[in-house]
Amino acid sequence: DGGITQSPKYLFRKEGQNVTLSCEQNLNHDAMYWYRQDPGQGLRLIYYSQIVNDFQKGDIAEGYSVSREKKESFPLTVTSAQKNPTAFYLCASFGAVGIYNQPQHFGDGTRLSIL
Amino acid sequence: DQQVKQNSPSLSVQEGRISILNCDYTNSMFDYFLWYKKYPAEGPTFLISISSIKDKNEDGRFTVFLNKSAKHLSLHIVPSQPGDSAVYFCAASYTSGTYKYIFGTGTRLKVLA
Repeated sequence: DGGITQSPKYLFRKEGQNVTLSCEQNLNHDAMYWYRQDPGQGLRLIYYSQIVNDFQKGDIAEGYSVSREKKESFPLTVTSAQKNPTAFYLCASFGAVGIYNQPQHFGDGTRLSIL
Repeated sequence: DQQVKQNSPSLSVQEGRISILNCDYTNSMFDYFLWYKKYPAEGPTFLISISSIKDKNEDGRFTVFLNKSAKHLSLHIVPSQPGDSAVYFCAASYTSGTYKYIFGTGTRLKVLA
């Protein structure tokens, strides 16, 4: 059963600590994305990657880092530089680079909170 | 600068009636539009999309209308069911090679039994 798996579902971060959110997909999708959702706001793009070993900053990349060493995996690290990390984080993927007009598929999200 | 706007944060509709959710956009380069449905603590689920070469797309109870001159799209749900209660996001993209999607802030639909 293909899909996108995000883990953990809930994560707590202490002040000054880096934490990494996992995102794995078995859809054989080329592109992967990280979004942040805050109450009353839409999904804001943090980082995205269209191919392995390449990624671009989205609209709110400060305080975050990513890697794309494998097609299936796109982990997001929330660093201590991100001063307001409490949010719901969503990972998404998109089928094939070069073919437009396709929907993104989403994982079930990780809720990050500060201790 | 919010390029995709959903001006109604919430909407309540009686079961069996029509739900109409609205979305406005500012970037005339957008050529692909989508609606997603989201339950609490879950990821958004793709519902329906429309390309800018069309003005209507229908899938069962869901119909999306696109008015390019007004830069407006709407989602109609007929008949509305209690299970439709969720947050609905519209999104837009354009064939620029970046494969970025711009999302609205969402409308919370409550269907009353």
